[in-house]
Amino acid sequence: EAGVTQSPTHLIKTRGQQVTLRCSPISGHTSVYWYQQALGLGLQFLLWYDEGEERNRGNFPPRFSGRQFPNYSSELNVNALELEDSALYLCASSFWDQPQHFGDGTRLSIL
Amino acid sequence: KQEVTQIPAALSVPEGENLVLNCSFTDSAIYNLQWFRQDPGKGLTSLLLIQSSQREQTSGRLNASLDKSSGRSTLYIAASQPGDSATYLCAVDFKLSFGAGTTVTVRA
Repeated sequence: EAGVTQSPTHLIKTRGQQVTLRCSPISGHTSVYWYQQALGLGLQFLLWYDEGEERNRGNFPPRFSGRQFPNYSSELNVNALELEDSALYLCASSFWDQPQHFGDGTRLSIL
Repeated sequence: KQEVTQIPAALSVPEGENLVLNCSFTDSAIYNLQWFRQDPGKGLTSLLLIQSSQREQTSGRLNASLDKSSGRSTLYIAASQPGDSATYLCAVDFKLSFGAGTTVTVRA
């Protein structure tokens, strides 16, 4: 069974640019979650999508947004990048209240 | 707002010793609690999930207990091995609220 896949693995951007991160969930999983792991700040919940709808969002500004497609894959978009957006972005998937399984993440560096 | 705390922040033990990792949470009205391990620079690996109606879950050398009333969970790892060296994280509910983790080093 293929796990959660994220692309790209690494990304380097400059301040003010926009970025799109992608996530493919495990087959059969309908929920996708996004988390940010910034250095020294721990894992922070960003967004939760289920059946194509945004179910909940964490305490992040509106320039963090995303969507979930009919095949349950998901994109995370970040506009107007700032230096503090440098982090490991992790995607997880699950089916209802079953365990969340994580991808290996996208490491985003802002110069 | 749910606050999750993990103590200790770091732990170093000789190979073969049992590990006890603690997790506490402030709001006992949780739906479930999940334990993960994270290797440096990697994503998270799910270890165990305990539903709120359960008291414990076991998988191989791992056992996790849950006491909702006191807001605590404990992860036990029996007969530790160097390959168990990692950061262990607990998290509660759907939009996982994570603790800061316990970094474990098992010395050969």
